[in-house]
Amino acid sequence: QQPVQSPQAVILREGEDAVINCSSSKALYSVHWYRQKHGEAPVFLMILLKGGEQKGHDKISASFNEKKQQSSLYLTASQLSYSGTYFCGTRASARNQFYFGTGTSLTVIP
Amino acid sequence: DAGVTQSPTHLIKTRGQQVTLRCSPKSGHDTVSWYQQALGQGPQFIFQYYEEEERQRGNFPDRFSGHQFPNYSSELNVNALLLGDSALYLCASSWGTGALGQPQHFGDGTRLSIL
Repeated sequence: QQPVQSPQAVILREGEDAVINCSSSKALYSVHWYRQKHGEAPVFLMILLKGGEQKGHDKISASFNEKKQQSSLYLTASQLSYSGTYFCGTRASARNQFYFGTGTSLTVIP
Repeated sequence: DAGVTQSPTHLIKTRGQQVTLRCSPKSGHDTVSWYQQALGQGPQFIFQYYEEEERQRGNFPDRFSGHQFPNYSSELNVNALLLGDSALYLCASSWGTGALGQPQHFGDGTRLSIL
């Protein structure tokens, strides 16, 4: 039930855009996005709920396709500080446990 | 506003020993979840506590147990430690169990090494 993320790794130059995808084999109730820097705790970025409600940061956007059981995270005009591993996390229902995705390593270079 | 705090930061144990990790949730949060993160992997859900009861549990053996106190803080206990238990243990707190779609906030974790 672990969601699968793609790509596994991506390298960007500052200012470039990136899209990270998260795909689940089960219907989803909610999708969370987190960024984790090496040696640090995951930091909450965005949550998307079934029905279209979004909660998160101003500079990051995401989409949630309930029919395809997929979510995408959009990073525009990347900055060096965007480097880290991005994880999606999903719940199949309000009472189901939370599963983290396989992770996407993103590196932004000058 | 204090965030999620975990103690200790690092811990070294030997096989067969027992360990207790502690977590204080972010102010205003009433739910605590524990995760195990092996090196290079994503966090794996261990269990969640709400109203001092275990509400959800991941695929972890009974050697892993927990507790939540009336002040919402929590402990994770692991008995009969194995080499494979070496990992970063993360605590996350939230308001509600997830039914309301609230985000989780993570502590910095406890790095457990088993020799």
